[in-house]
Amino acid sequence: GENVEQHPSTLSVQEGDSAVIKCTYSDSASNYFPWYKQELGKRPQLIIDIRSNVGEKKDQRIAVTLNKTAKHFSLHITETQPEDSAVYFCAATPGGGADGLTFGKGTHLIIQP
Amino acid sequence: NAGVTQTPKFQVLKTGQSMTLQCAQDMNHEYMSWYRQDPGMGLRLIHYSVGAGITDQGEVPNGYNVSRSTTEDFPLRLLSAAPSQTSVYFCASSYSLRGGNTIYFGEGSWLTVV
Repeated sequence: GENVEQHPSTLSVQEGDSAVIKCTYSDSASNYFPWYKQELGKRPQLIIDIRSNVGEKKDQRIAVTLNKTAKHFSLHITETQPEDSAVYFCAATPGGGADGLTFGKGTHLIIQP
Repeated sequence: NAGVTQTPKFQVLKTGQSMTLQCAQDMNHEYMSWYRQDPGMGLRLIHYSVGAGITDQGEVPNGYNVSRSTTEDFPLRLLSAAPSQTSVYFCASSYSLRGGNTIYFGEGSWLTVV
């Protein structure tokens, strides 16, 4: 099955700086890569996603890049703000989507004032 | 439109007891699933369903049963609870199983087995 590795497990950045979270996946047939943000005690919420036929996607301060050859994708957050503090999960849909989403173990992003 | 609704939100069970976590969605989604979330482990798929009458196992199915008698409901049953099943459980749904369909999560159910 699919295996998703996520790094780092904890990331601390100064407010206003950029944050980058990286994920690798194992199944070359995976074709959909969402990112979820989870605040303490809340449900995961989709913040951005990318499909395998696109290399980069942006939404205001958030961007995701995908390198299919290397089988890795990254989340970029620019001009970080206190409300960006949360746990972020990457995920991949295995080939054909038959098994739902496989998640990385999460990155705890801490924004230092 | 309530989205994905889970009950109960909190539950304490004794070892060996049984219980059912309820999940309902009102978005006419084909695909529903259950995940458990443990510290440092991310979210792991327990069971999923691609439509009424169809269920299948995910990554960690042992100790759990599911059924899908209607499109709207997808209950998760613990037949004989064990302390290892202490976790946060999330129900999720999406329009279809094909990649690119947003998966929506319920608010979560915090389960403690003592």
